[in-house]
Amino acid sequence: GAGVSQSPRYKVAKRGQDVALRCDPISGHVSLFWYQQALGQGPEFLTYFQNEAQLDKSGLPSDRFFAERPEGSVSTLKIQRTQQEDSAVYLCASSPRMGTRRYFGPGTRLTVT
Amino acid sequence: QQPVQSPQAVILREGEDAVINCSSSKALYSVHWYRQKHGEAPVFLMILLKGGEQKGHEKISASFNEKKQQSSLYLTASQLSYSGTYFCGTEGGKLIFGQGTELSVKP
Repeated sequence: GAGVSQSPRYKVAKRGQDVALRCDPISGHVSLFWYQQALGQGPEFLTYFQNEAQLDKSGLPSDRFFAERPEGSVSTLKIQRTQQEDSAVYLCASSPRMGTRRYFGPGTRLTVT
Repeated sequence: QQPVQSPQAVILREGEDAVINCSSSKALYSVHWYRQKHGEAPVFLMILLKGGEQKGHEKISASFNEKKQQSSLYLTASQLSYSGTYFCGTEGGKLIFGQGTELSVKP
């Protein structure tokens, strides 16, 4: 079937605005992960879900970041009151279960001006 | 916690070989390898699930030394398509990536 999709692909936000980034994982994949990738850096872990349960959110940089996956499929990463340092590519990945390969989406490039 | 990769960058001529190393200060349970081309998502190469395991993918293979908490990625007879940034990731409930090794293959 289709791979992991993310929307929007590009987002420009003025500092202080709220943004919502969407991830559609591969159907049936239990695990879903969010990563933040700054230019020239490796993906940094933000949070992950197993079905609808958020099992680890230790990588979220501040309480302005919030993620949810209410029905165990689609996930949304919300960033409130965006700051310039939030500018990055946000990658979503899914996997059939923990410990297996990650399937990455194309990412959302967020630019905060 | 973040694994350390070396070298940070390498330039090869087509047909040359390269080794990328990944080491961790924590015990490794499994190691993933991904390649990312500029502006694209990381693409899975292989996963090594137990110590001593070696896996291959065309002319790209990897080893995993659990005792030394290290993994190495071997690229032989490199092709232009091998260019990109290679990341190792260590699994411990969440996948933590190294900082990446940028590989450029020139004709």
